[in-house]
Amino acid sequence: GAVVSQHPSRVICKSGTSVKIECRSLDFQATTMFWYRQFPKQSLMLMATSNEGSKATYEQGVEKDKFLINHASLTLSTLTVTSAHPEDSSFYICSARSSTGGNQPQHFGDGTRLSIL
Amino acid sequence: RKEVEQDPGPFNVPEGATVAFNCTYSNSASQSFFWYRQDCRKEPKLLMSVYSSGNEDGRFTAQLNRASQYISLLIRDSKLSDSATYLCVVNRGSYIPTFGRGTSLIVHP
Repeated sequence: GAVVSQHPSRVICKSGTSVKIECRSLDFQATTMFWYRQFPKQSLMLMATSNEGSKATYEQGVEKDKFLINHASLTLSTLTVTSAHPEDSSFYICSARSSTGGNQPQHFGDGTRLSIL
Repeated sequence: RKEVEQDPGPFNVPEGATVAFNCTYSNSASQSFFWYRQDCRKEPKLLMSVYSSGNEDGRFTAQLNRASQYISLLIRDSKLSDSATYLCVVNRGSYIPTFGRGTSLIVHP
């Protein structure tokens, strides 16, 4: 159980393109999903917390107009990197936590490796 | 003081060795604790939850010390495949989970 699917796993595109990443909890409902970014050999960095039916909460320094988050249902959150530039190239990972309680563990998607040329 | 701290390592051990990592947390209101494993260029995967009474899963043992505010992970009979970064995660109810920066383990032949 507790499977989180993230799609696509790899994206290579030109500078200026907008890229949409989907995160789905396949066998549980997730009121809260988290979006992380990780640069090579660095720690996971939380970008935003996505709550179903409400606006996402962004961490300091993360531009909400640049990284659009939509949590449309209890099983789906999307992150759109708008007008991506080479410095946005990174490993983006989502995670979901069951709605049953805040003390449940997170389960991560496989991650999306984004490369902007 | 960081909310969750881990020794980044790397811990370099031979196959078959026993190795232990600690993770300290600063918020005494923390309620649940987890160890994750992250392989290079992959997503973190849940290794085990940490229960108050301590718990074991095969070669892995997790302990919680609330008085001193730390959790530990013990790996017995290390395998080459145990090489990874081990992340501790601390939850405080519905608050955002807090990750440690991870401890790197290298198991060599």
